[in-house]
Amino acid sequence: GAGVSQSPSNKVTEKGKDVELRCDPISGHTALYWYRQRLGQGLEFLIYFQGNSAPDKSGLPSDRFSAERTGESVSTLTIQRTQQEDSAVYLCASGESGTGTYEQYFGPGTRLTVT
Amino acid sequence: DAKTTQPNSLESNEEEPVHLPCNHSTISGTDYIHWYRQLPSQGPEYVIHGLTSNVNNRMASLAIAEDRKSSTLILHRATLRDAAVYYCILSTGTASKLTFGTGTRLQVTL
Repeated sequence: GAGVSQSPSNKVTEKGKDVELRCDPISGHTALYWYRQRLGQGLEFLIYFQGNSAPDKSGLPSDRFSAERTGESVSTLTIQRTQQEDSAVYLCASGESGTGTYEQYFGPGTRLTVT
Repeated sequence: DAKTTQPNSLESNEEEPVHLPCNHSTISGTDYIHWYRQLPSQGPEYVIHGLTSNVNNRMASLAIAEDRKSSTLILHRATLRDAAVYYCILSTGTASKLTFGTGTRLQVTL
């Protein structure tokens, strides 16, 4: 079946511009995560959505970062007034909810370059 | 979340078993041990997870120490396609928010 998709795959933007990154999770997955991966480093958690619960925003690095999710479908990560340190690959993952733990399915990522 | 410690890199020959160690001495009773891997230019991919008992699936085996302070991911026969960065991650069950370290870069040679 279809996996997690993200768009665009690459985005080059000028410092100070706003960008929107999109994530389409696997159908039926109620959990959705955003992560950031800087070059040569591990993933940093940004935000987590679970059904209709309030999102866990504890990983957002500044108030320039925000994310929304429409129901249990598409999510958009918005970065306002981009800075060069925002350059990274932004990864989205989705998972099924329930008790216990579950695997996360990752998309291919959006490579953001701020010039 | 409790931290994990992994070697920066490992090398293996193709078709030989590979043991990827992970130390997690501060693991709590509710922490699950997850392994993900990331192939070049791709998003991470789930490999296996466990709590207390050893686990096997089609990709790998997970051996968990009796005191749970360490674990080992075992690839039974490494192939060139297994070359990736392998992440050992601890997470509580509910949110399963994952905190990735720098992982172990596995190189597989002919």
